[in-house]
Amino acid sequence: AQSVAQPEDQVNVAEGNPLTVKCTYSVSGNPYLFWYVQYPNRGLQFLLKYITGDNLVKGSYGFEAEFNKSQTSFHLKKPSALVSDSALYFCAVRDMNTDKLIFGTGTRLQVFP
Amino acid sequence: DAMVIQNPRYQVTQFGKPVTLSCSQTLNHNVMYWYQQKSSQAPKLLFHYYDKDFNNEADTPDNFQSRRPNTSFCFLDIRSPGLGDAAMYLCATSRDWGFADTQYFGPGTRLTVL
Repeated sequence: AQSVAQPEDQVNVAEGNPLTVKCTYSVSGNPYLFWYVQYPNRGLQFLLKYITGDNLVKGSYGFEAEFNKSQTSFHLKKPSALVSDSALYFCAVRDMNTDKLIFGTGTRLQVFP
Repeated sequence: DAMVIQNPRYQVTQFGKPVTLSCSQTLNHNVMYWYQQKSSQAPKLLFHYYDKDFNNEADTPDNFQSRRPNTSFCFLDIRSPGLGDAAMYLCATSRDWGFADTQYFGPGTRLTVL
């Protein structure tokens, strides 16, 4: 079965420090991976996706993600966190059998001033 | 520049009183989705339309219905809302139904059931 795991419910980081939000996946075949961010009482905003090609994917708002096939991971990163980055982050993978998006459980990022 | 629009943003209804949530898109996308999200959990897919073809998830209650009268609009009807239906309802669209297609979400409608 296709799945993604976000092992951390919450990540705390000081403003200006680098941040990492972790995601691991389990799929048969090539993975199609996505990151979304959700601010309070808002919908999900698309950040970036990995389809094929370079393992380092650049996205919106200065975020990037590194695809690592050997570790089956797709961690979200940003070199310097902002307080405004505080939000709920979802990793998702496309289910190859159903074409549906399978979401992780979400990681709440808290950036402290 | 809003691409996926949901109305209203907040909806309060009474137990058992039918309610309709609206979604419109300016992207001319073929696929429209409705998700239910409770308490910052992962969104749960209720159903989707590929053009006019309706696809219901197996575990979506019969209480939930949907209409897509044209490419731009899609509605979620909850025939008899229960307290357990209080949630954020998210509409999303994608250009096509493919592995690489990105889903773009609206701002959501938060439904309260009294």
